[in-house]
Amino acid sequence: DQQVKQNSPSLSVQEGRISILNCDYTNSMFDYFLWYKKYPAEGPTFLISISSIKDKNEDGRFTVFLNKSAKHLSLHIVPSQPGDSAVYFCALNAGNMLTFGGGTRLMVKP
Amino acid sequence: EPEVTQTPSHQVTQMGQEVILRCVPISNHLYFYWYRQILGQKVEFLVSFYNNEISEKSEIFDDQFSVERPDGSNFTLKIRSTKLEDSAMYFCASKLDRVWNQPQHFGDGTRLSIL
Repeated sequence: DQQVKQNSPSLSVQEGRISILNCDYTNSMFDYFLWYKKYPAEGPTFLISISSIKDKNEDGRFTVFLNKSAKHLSLHIVPSQPGDSAVYFCALNAGNMLTFGGGTRLMVKP
Repeated sequence: EPEVTQTPSHQVTQMGQEVILRCVPISNHLYFYWYRQILGQKVEFLVSFYNNEISEKSEIFDDQFSVERPDGSNFTLKIRSTKLEDSAMYFCASKLDRVWNQPQHFGDGTRLSIL
């Protein structure tokens, strides 16, 4: 299933800098876009979302951008903190079911 | 903060045996889901459940799988005759209602190992 792709399997960032995680999709039917964070041995934890009618949503250090024409979603974390180190999944909704990307492992170095 | 709870955390079963995975969704949520993640692969949708019936299911969710809400709190996934390829992490999720732009909240999963 290549409908949703996270092309970077890992990302390493210095504490205090910006982390940018990317997600590309092919299906125009997706209407709601979410980011989840996952620690080992835990389930995905909802982080932030955006509806297809918007292009930006901000919540504290986290901002999600949606470029519908490019079918591209990104998550910005600024400033990054060591506790942000985890696997981040984009998950796209169509018809009340989520299609997940493969995840990006973010490592924030102190 | 309310959370989705799943039991057991790890289930080991012989191939061909039946297994039931249990979930307690967030108490006021009405929409329930099962997903799975095979090691090294993406999280995949299995089934959604609303108003005591299946709302949507994927092609993975064949006749070997069934879901049930036996009482007001539990939501279960049954695999009738397990196969080696059923080994995966199984995640339960719930959502407040049918409104499309609400997040699903996930439990910590059950690791199913088929021997």
